[in-house]
Amino acid sequence: EIVLTQSPGTLSSSPGERATLSCRTSQTVGSSYLVWYQQKPGQAPRLLIYAASSRATGIPDRFSGSGSGTDYTLTINRLEPEDFAVYYCQQYASSPYTFGQGTRLDIK
Amino acid sequence: EEKVVESGGGLVQPGGSLKLSCEASGFIFSGYGMNWVRQAPGKGLEWVSFISSAGVDTDYAESVKGRFTISRDNAKNSLYLQMNSLTVEDSAVYYCVRKGMTPSPYYYHYFYMDVWGKGTMVAVSS
Repeated sequence: EIVLTQSPGTLSSSPGERATLSCRTSQTVGSSYLVWYQQKPGQAPRLLIYAASSRATGIPDRFSGSGSGTDYTLTINRLEPEDFAVYYCQQYASSPYTFGQGTRLDIK
Repeated sequence: EEKVVESGGGLVQPGGSLKLSCEASGFIFSGYGMNWVRQAPGKGLEWVSFISSAGVDTDYAESVKGRFTISRDNAKNSLYLQMNSLTVEDSAVYYCVRKGMTPSPYYYHYFYMDVWGKGTMVAVSS
């Protein structure tokens, strides 16, 4: 099983700042199979980024993803109030299709 | 609008059974693989099961293998999850999720989970 470790567990930032979230996989998954989701309280997750760096339909360009091998990053530029949420990475390279434990992005 | 709606959750005693349903609309259901993903209260996301578009291939997390069965009825645009021998550790919100795909510049596709329902709550307690 591929284990995904996200850091930090909680990130406190202010609107307008840049947030950088990390996801490390226990094995190489290939950037084609690394996905990021956003989840707000009481809501289902929403697809943000697939293939490590491709934005899903309707996702603002302040969200960007990068990385390869075992290290991946989600960057959110110019934080908006609606960006404060929990972010999960997931690998789709091999079953079981594991998720990271999540990074909570809080308003400072 | 592409949409999936789950139903069938509820309170069940340990050792009991429950069948979840998911109805899809707004897209060609038979063209997509589907997943169940769950989230225990205050916890992260856990992939539970997958079924291919035609229902031929299925896959399960180790934690549910042998107890849960995923199935689908493409004529009814519906996905199901039969859950048996439930334990308190199965208590969670269960999401029905579409497996999306996009062709890559190469010979394979990119995969992701792109259409999520609002979820249905399963509580296992005596």
